[in-house]
Amino acid sequence: DTEVTQTPKHLVMGMTNKKSLKCEQHMGHRAMYWYKQKAKKPPELMFVYSYEKLSINESVPSRFSPECPNSSLLNLHLHALQPEDSALYLCASSQDPGTANNSPLHFGNGTRLTVT
Amino acid sequence: AQKITQTQPGMFVQEKEAVTLDCTYDTSDQSYGLFWYKQPSSGEMIFLIYQGSYDEQNATEGRYSLNFQKARKSANLVISASQLGDSAMYFCAMRPDPNFGNEKLTFGTGTRLTIIP
Repeated sequence: DTEVTQTPKHLVMGMTNKKSLKCEQHMGHRAMYWYKQKAKKPPELMFVYSYEKLSINESVPSRFSPECPNSSLLNLHLHALQPEDSALYLCASSQDPGTANNSPLHFGNGTRLTVT
Repeated sequence: AQKITQTQPGMFVQEKEAVTLDCTYDTSDQSYGLFWYKQPSSGEMIFLIYQGSYDEQNATEGRYSLNFQKARKSANLVISASQLGDSAMYFCAMRPDPNFGNEKLTFGTGTRLTIIP
């Protein structure tokens, strides 16, 4: 079982809806990530939070809004999405950046998002 | 900028045989880490093995080993005694040393491995 929990597992939403993806980890990791993965493609980085502050935004459209309420939680708020935003959204976490020697990212099972 | 290349889109291997998945990379960083992940059809990304750029010995984790050739910038994954459960997508990935402030993990295009009974 993965130690990074993502909810929901599946989400279908219309282009005018507002929804949120949630991610939780209790490994004490201080870096958390959102990745987007289209079918038959590798994951692409969207956002990185380091010590609950946004450290990387890979020029993601503003209809995706990340939030890190505390060190264990990471949300991705969705609004006015397009059908091409349909994908698998993966959350990940890793040990304290800057103190651990390139520790691996631990991924959740992902949320399969369909925008209609 | 970093680039990861996996030249094998798909591989078919007989059960119990060993398999090598190729990965080459390009980076100007001196300190970096190389990772292999397995992604079954369920979607979860499972961490398999890690190799640091300054590690002198090849990494091993159970049936997984990493054939690291720094001068050639290659980091091939070797799976010994393959099992049906090894059928999945395999991604090679690289990240610069996060001590220098970059936490970005970049993935290659992946290799789909199918184990034949």
